[in-house]
Amino acid sequence: GAGVSQTPSNKVTEKGKYVELRCDPISGHTALYWYRQSLGQGPEFLIYFQGTGAADDSGLPNDRFFAVRPEGSVSTLKIQRTERGDSAVYLCASSPRGGGRDTEAFFGQGTRLTVV
Amino acid sequence: AQKITQTQPGMFVQEKEAVTLDCTYDTSDPSYGLFWYKQPSSGEMIFLIYQGSYDQQNATEGRYSLNFQKARKSANLVISASQLGDSAMYFCAMREGGGYQKVTFGTGTKLQVIP
Repeated sequence: GAGVSQTPSNKVTEKGKYVELRCDPISGHTALYWYRQSLGQGPEFLIYFQGTGAADDSGLPNDRFFAVRPEGSVSTLKIQRTERGDSAVYLCASSPRGGGRDTEAFFGQGTRLTVV
Repeated sequence: AQKITQTQPGMFVQEKEAVTLDCTYDTSDPSYGLFWYKQPSSGEMIFLIYQGSYDQQNATEGRYSLNFQKARKSANLVISASQLGDSAMYFCAMREGGGYQKVTFGTGTKLQVIP
């Protein structure tokens, strides 16, 4: 597709379960970002990939959160032992490269995660 | 300290009028970029406009312009000739340094355009 695709669009899980959220970036975009947006807040940075490697994972809240991008395209955000506080919209974005003027990030529509 | 401050939780504007959404930022890095994004109820973040810290002129993109006042650390978004479709959340964001786009977002302003 032409844009960033995130699946599923909605996910309801029970507290303590494991979840995976998928992001399919725009073809050819080397930079990929994960953000988390809680209700009434702006997006909060989680992790940034340049190619296959996580260049900055400083935003991951704790070791229950992990993300991979094994082939430099699709990325998966993994959350172990989910807690109710993990409920949020998880946004993925991609850009052609990491820095400079023309590196606006293109966002997907997000995955709404609800932990019950 | 907040890196991005948006003091207007909500704003109303009459259709066809102009509106200014406020944004102030805090950084000690001389190289930074400022962004505005629109988030309609569908949830997708839509890029609107970008201003680099070294840009001499204010950025403009169609009906959007960024009123960049560097000394005041202000980067207000001006939307001219408001349309009903402009009703959405608007986020100001900043990238520090010349590197990748790890941006810090403000809390947003909800704009409602009145017919």
